[in-house]
Amino acid sequence: QVQLVQSGSELKKPGASVKVSCKASGYTFTSYAMNWVRQAPGQGLEWMGWINTNTGNPTYAQGFTGRFVFSLDTSVSTAYLQISSLKAEDTAVYYCAADNAFDYWGQGTLVTVSS
Amino acid sequence: QSALTQPASVSGSPGQSITISCTGTSSDVGSYNLVSWYQQHPGKAPKLMIYEVSKRPSGVSNRFSGSKSGNTASLTISGLQAEDEADYYCCSYAGGSTFFGTGTKVTVL
Repeated sequence: QVQLVQSGSELKKPGASVKVSCKASGYTFTSYAMNWVRQAPGQGLEWMGWINTNTGNPTYAQGFTGRFVFSLDTSVSTAYLQISSLKAEDTAVYYCAADNAFDYWGQGTLVTVSS
Repeated sequence: QSALTQPASVSGSPGQSITISCTGTSSDVGSYNLVSWYQQHPGKAPKLMIYEVSKRPSGVSNRFSGSKSGNTASLTISGLQAEDEADYYCCSYAGGSTFFGTGTKVTVL
C-alpha cells in the first residue's frame, strides 16, 4: 500500500534552516506528483506548491518563493522541503501529499521556530 | 486569489444529513471540475473523501457525496455518525495553482 513517511519534529532558532523529508513506498515514486501543504497551529491547510517527480521541476505557490525549496532523491524515493532563514511564523505542521488529488498524505512534520 | 470560503461550523444530529458549501470564483471552482474534499481529525493528517467534484476513492463511505453548481461546490454527509465529527476542507485547482477552503468544523450533536 502507498505510504509516505516524514521525518520527525524539529525545533529551530530564528534564522536557522530545516530540511523535512518524505519517503514514499508502495508505488513507483515517479508516478505521482508530490505536493507540500502547511498547517499553522489552529489554522487551515495551505498549499505550498508541488514538484514534478519525473523532471524535478518545482512550482511554488504565492508566498512560498525564495526561502522554500522542494527537491528529490529518486534513488531513495524521497522528497524534501527545505526552509531557510526561519521565522517564528514558519511554525507549523508540514505535510507531503502525493498525486494530483492529494490522494496520499504523510503523517506531518511539526517545525517549531523559537528562540 | 485567496482561500475558498466555507462556513466555520456545521452541526447535525446522528442520522441527519448536513451539507458544507465551498464558494470560490470563476477562476477556480467555476472553471474546473477539480474540486476535492478532505476530512481531518484532530492531530491527524487529512484524508481524501471526494475528488473531481463527486468521485469517491475506494474505501470511503457512500454517505459522503459531492456536487458543484457554478462557483460553489458542496459536500453532503448523509446518515451522520459520531465518527464524522472532524474538520473538512475543500480544495480546487485554479490553473497552475491550488487553493484550499477555510475549513468547516462538523459537530455531531
